[in-house]
Amino acid sequence: AQKVTQAQTEISVVEKEDVTLDCVYETRDTTYYLFWYKQPPSGELVFLIRRNSFDEQNEISGRYSWNFQKSTSSFNFTITASQVVDSAVYFCALSSSGTYKYIFGTGTRLKVLA
Amino acid sequence: DAGVIQSPRHEVTEMGQEVTLRCKPISGHDYLFWYRQTMMRGLELLIYFNNNVPIDDSGMPEDRFSAKMPNASFSTLKIQPSEPRDSAVYFCASSFGGGRPRDYGYTFGSGTRLTVV
Repeated sequence: AQKVTQAQTEISVVEKEDVTLDCVYETRDTTYYLFWYKQPPSGELVFLIRRNSFDEQNEISGRYSWNFQKSTSSFNFTITASQVVDSAVYFCALSSSGTYKYIFGTGTRLKVLA
Repeated sequence: DAGVIQSPRHEVTEMGQEVTLRCKPISGHDYLFWYRQTMMRGLELLIYFNNNVPIDDSGMPEDRFSAKMPNASFSTLKIQPSEPRDSAVYFCASSFGGGRPRDYGYTFGSGTRLTVV
């Protein structure tokens, strides 16, 4: 069975702090894809990043960085120097090679306080 | 690009009524997905289409739900009859990947918030 666990329901930080959102996944497939999406208060879901299971390179995009570790089945997301505009619900998702379904985690609500 | 367009943004209906949600995917995208988001169950895939053909509808909760995609630029999700437990935010998403949509992720619409009273 496939599963995505985001154990942190809600995180509050003060602006400019760094914050890491955890994502742990379960799958028996050798080929799979991991994603992060952002859902701001306006409600839409915004694609942030995709990783496939063969690429364990960490990625940095501005203040965002992602750490993919197959050994621990984790795909964590770090925001450096957080800003109020980062306040949103962040979803981690998993998709296997044989299907285009995404299995979403339950999301982590991030509140960045000014 | 206008993005994925869903209508209506909000819908309030009485139990037993028919509800139709609409989606216009991004032009050129060949995959279309319908998701439902609730507090209890999170984001669930209901059905997805490839080139207007339904590929997997195993997430459709029951026969009261139906989805169609008559052409590449339009899809509907219909609930008949509606029940209070259908209250949720319904998202449409589209993607293009030359056969590999996961490479680019989905582009989601803004969602339709459905309330059945």
